[in-house]
Amino acid sequence: AQKITQTQPGMFVQEKEAVTLDCTYDTSDQSYGLFWYKQPSSGEMIFLIYQGSYDEQNATEGRYSLNFQKARKSANLVISASQLGDSAMYFCAMREGLYSGGGADGLTFGKGTHLIIQP
Amino acid sequence: SAVISQKPSRDICQRGTSLTIQCQVDSQVTMMFWYRQQPGQSLTLIATANQGSEATYESGFVIDKFPISRPNLTFSTLTVSNMSPEDSSIYLCSVVFGGADTQYFGPGTRLTVL
Repeated sequence: AQKITQTQPGMFVQEKEAVTLDCTYDTSDQSYGLFWYKQPSSGEMIFLIYQGSYDEQNATEGRYSLNFQKARKSANLVISASQLGDSAMYFCAMREGLYSGGGADGLTFGKGTHLIIQP
Repeated sequence: SAVISQKPSRDICQRGTSLTIQCQVDSQVTMMFWYRQQPGQSLTLIATANQGSEATYESGFVIDKFPISRPNLTFSTLTVSNMSPEDSSIYLCSVVFGGADTQYFGPGTRLTVL
């Protein structure tokens, strides 16, 4: 079974609209971390936002917020007021068996969502 | 966040040859990771590299094909050995940095094998 599922291979969104990118995960660990990365066509991986499994509040970073629903095992990324520069691939990722201060394992990535912002 | 650089940024190689990719970090880090991203695909972890010990490889990756060195806390190399066209990918190094155990990535090395 996939550990990270991103069900939207591609999305088209009008500029200035809000965008929700879906991510569900599968783990039996109590401690884990969830991450979102942006990959523009240049290929670099840009860290956007992090949510720890014990964090009670949803993470926010500027225009990015993470809608964390632990019982549903979902960690959707919300981008407010989308911009043309937001067009890119977006990857959801998880690291299992950790909490802040002791990470040791690599990340498991979803297949990604290709987001295109239209003017 | 840490500043991570990789060399080369891209290369075109002939099958049967080997390429060594370098990853340099501007801060000392305990863990470094190497990932592969095949064309149109997601990232897959190759191995975890600790300074002073053997790298730990993920299922499907072996040391003979992807030898890794980690001579100090700021540097690592990944060698892609006896290359075939299937090795054409972006190879990225990553480090854990900061209180949230966030992984930051280098700019990647685009490898094309002919």
